[in-house]
Amino acid sequence: KQEVTQIPAALSVPEGENLVLNCSFTDSAIYNLQWFRQDPGKGLTSLLLIQSSQREQTSGRLNASLDKSSGRSTLYIAASQPGDSATYLCAVYSGGGADGLTFGKGTHLIIQP
Amino acid sequence: EPEVTQTPSHQVTQMGQEVILRCVPISNHLYFYWYRQILGQKVEFLVSFYNNEISEKSEIFDDQFSVERPDGSNFTLKIRSTKLEDSAMYFCASSEAEEHYGYTFGSGTRLTVV
Repeated sequence: KQEVTQIPAALSVPEGENLVLNCSFTDSAIYNLQWFRQDPGKGLTSLLLIQSSQREQTSGRLNASLDKSSGRSTLYIAASQPGDSATYLCAVYSGGGADGLTFGKGTHLIIQP
Repeated sequence: EPEVTQTPSHQVTQMGQEVILRCVPISNHLYFYWYRQILGQKVEFLVSFYNNEISEKSEIFDDQFSVERPDGSNFTLKIRSTKLEDSAMYFCASSEAEEHYGYTFGSGTRLTVV
């Protein structure tokens, strides 16, 4: 059964810093991996989708990498801003079965002004 | 940008009552999903729906739950007899296809069972 772990669980950094959020998954047989942002009490906003054949995806200040063989992904946020404060969720799709997307518990990020 | 719409945003119901959560997926998407998130816990898969039938469901999705696409646009989740432990945020999502496309999630319905 696929398990997704995100480290750290929480992170607080001053504005302007570059930072890295980590995601690991136990079964490397995935179709894709998706990073989401969740604001308190709100829905999930998709940030980046990486297919199993890809190594990275970029959108603005965000860059996500995928190392499928080692079961790891990182989300890199450049020049962080207070508006980046949110919980960041990593989710993998392994195909078939009754699991749908498997989510990590998230990294709660606070950017201090 | 197309979005998934969920109503209501918040629903309070008494234990034992039936509730229906509603979703309007993105119009050209073919796969529809319900997920839930109990406060402080991971987002969990409930059910996927394709071609007017359930394609996959998790252990959580027992006989108390049902889904329906009553017309060409709405997708509903019904909980027949709510329990306190059904209190959670319920998210609807849709996708063009399962394997190679991402999911678009709605903003959720917060269900509180009292």
